[in-house]
Amino acid sequence: NAGVTQTPKFRVLKTGQSMTLLCAQDMNHEYMYWYRQDPGMGLRLIHYSVGEGTTAKGEVPDGYNVSRLKKQNFLLGLESAAPSQTSVYFCASTLDGIQETQYFGPGTRLLVL
Amino acid sequence: AQSVTQLGSHVSVSEGALVLLRCNYSSSVPPYLFWYVQYPNQGLQLLLKYTSAATLVKGINGFEAEFKKSETSFHLTKPSAHMSDAAEYFCAVSDRIQGAQKLVFGQGTRLTINP
Repeated sequence: NAGVTQTPKFRVLKTGQSMTLLCAQDMNHEYMYWYRQDPGMGLRLIHYSVGEGTTAKGEVPDGYNVSRLKKQNFLLGLESAAPSQTSVYFCASTLDGIQETQYFGPGTRLLVL
Repeated sequence: AQSVTQLGSHVSVSEGALVLLRCNYSSSVPPYLFWYVQYPNQGLQLLLKYTSAATLVKGINGFEAEFKKSETSFHLTKPSAHMSDAAEYFCAVSDRIQGAQKLVFGQGTRLTINP
């Protein structure tokens, strides 16, 4: 049982390049989330999904797109990377319920030059 | 809207001393509250959570937190700090967003343990 995994662990991009971050979970969770973590700002929600084939915008969705074609996978895409997207990205998943625990992946560190 | 404030972005204590990390929340409904810990270069993991069953919540690694409605607080404590407690700690309150759970995080508190 691997929990939540993320690939890649680290990536360097040039401004304008594109990339996709992959999140996978093996806990059969319905809900999945993408966050970004920046110093002094905690974690901010980018996009989330309440089930296979669904996606929705969070607090800071601009510049990102997501897809959830399979229940276990949640992809985060950057179409044209900008230096402001330099951050650490975390994926999380949970069962339905406002009191449930979110389980986090190990993170992807992204540097945009 | 729910919000969380963590007082002190950086706390430093000596090994064996009391750890106290402060969290205050704002919520229009009875809150569900969480403390997560992040060790260097790792993801977040749950320390403990309050779901209204008991006001004193015990978590992993000897941590506990007390929910005080009158003070809108959920401070995290540990009687005796260990070097392995050095990490960043996040308080969060649970909210709903279009049918899904949404966690609203505080800014985080970095805990340093001095030998």
